[in-house]
Order: sequence, then C-alpha cells, then structure tokens
Amino acid sequence: QSVPTQPPSASGTPGQRVTISCSGSSSNIGKNNVNWYQQLPGTAPKLLIYSNNQRPSGVPDRFSGSKSGTSASLAISGLQSEDEADYYCAAWDDSLSGCVFGGGTKLTVL
Amino acid sequence: EVQLVESGGGLVQPGGSLKLSCAASGFSFSASVMHWVRQASGKGLEWVGRIRSKADSYATAYAASVKGRFTISRDDSKNTAYLQMNSLKTEDTAVYYCSSALNSWGQGTLVTVSS
Repeated sequence: QSVPTQPPSASGTPGQRVTISCSGSSSNIGKNNVNWYQQLPGTAPKLLIYSNNQRPSGVPDRFSGSKSGTSASLAISGLQSEDEADYYCAAWDDSLSGCVFGGGTKLTVL
Repeated sequence: EVQLVESGGGLVQPGGSLKLSCAASGFSFSASVMHWVRQASGKGLEWVGRIRSKADSYATAYAASVKGRFTISRDDSKNTAYLQMNSLKTEDTAVYYCSSALNSWGQGTLVTVSS
C-alpha cells in the first residue's frame, strides 16, 4: 500500500487556476472515496470536498475535485488571497484498515 | 449547528496516561462514526482511530502507531467520545482533533508528552 502523496507546495496569482494532486494506491484511492480538507493557519481542518467531487454546502464552486484510478486532484479556480492554506487529501485504506492522509500541500497566493 | 469540543489535553510525562473527551451537539451523535486525528506542530494530519455506532457494534480501528496503547470509546447518553491514551511517548505530542465522520471537526486539544 502507498500513503497518498501530495506536492509539498503550490502557488498561483489571484484569479489563476491551480490544481493539487494526490497520488495513492489500489488499496486507498483506487478503491475508496477521497475527501479534501482546507486548513487555514492556526485553525482546525475544514471539509472542502467529499466523495471525490461533492462540495458541502457553503463551499464555493471555485473548488472542485476529481478522481481517476489511484489519483485524485483538487482544483481551485479564481484564486483568492484567502485560499492561502494547507490542503490535505484523505481516503480509507483497505489494507491498513484505517484512514490515510496525504502529506499536505501548502498553497501560496502570490 | 454541529459542535465538537475537545477537552482533557495537557502536559504528561513519558509513560503516563491521559484521557481526552469530545462533547458533541447539533447532530445525531449516536448514529455517527467518531474519529480522532492528530497533528504534531508543523506537521501533517495523522489519523489515530475511529469508533462506529451501536448499530455497527461500536467497532473500533486504530493506526498502527497507537494500537495497543490508545482506546477509543463513546457514551451516547452523554453525546461524548473519548480517547484514552496510555504508555505515552514524546512522539505522541500533538494537537488532537475529534471529528464526526471526518466531516465536522472540533477545535483540537494540545497534548504534550515531556519530562
């Protein structure tokens, strides 16, 4: 099994579209749904995307998720300064019988 | 409004024990899977474990790093989940979050394991 891998950092300018990847394995992303979380500095994580591509109420449609095979992606369009945060993917891992988080991606808005 | 409030964190010596609580309101606690997730300072999120509902026999699961040392329980009459932590190690130092179904999260409570 492979714990999901995310790029440690990403960046973009206001208004730009950025994507964050999450590469897993057949035991986690390949078989189970992916959630994405946003963690602003000094705060608790917040659910951003669930079940690969669903947005909870209140999450702007600038945020979208997708999944293909053993990888998932989070896209943020119309980047805003308040999007500067850490982003984590997560999925259940059948081999580990536990949830696995990606290492997180720090998004910087230039 | 969903609310999760953790408590019980603090400073404990290596080898010691601590019990965290997570008081829930605003949703059907008894039907919800409750998770604990931790985050060491400057590090990423690490899943600790979860407890399912009565309908699923209160089944628990734990990360390998805490299995045999940590125990998750719940009291549905009090809408509260617990994390009993024994044989604590310095590497268990982290902010501990409880979460309902990994959807809603509490604000976290800091556990520091140090002599």
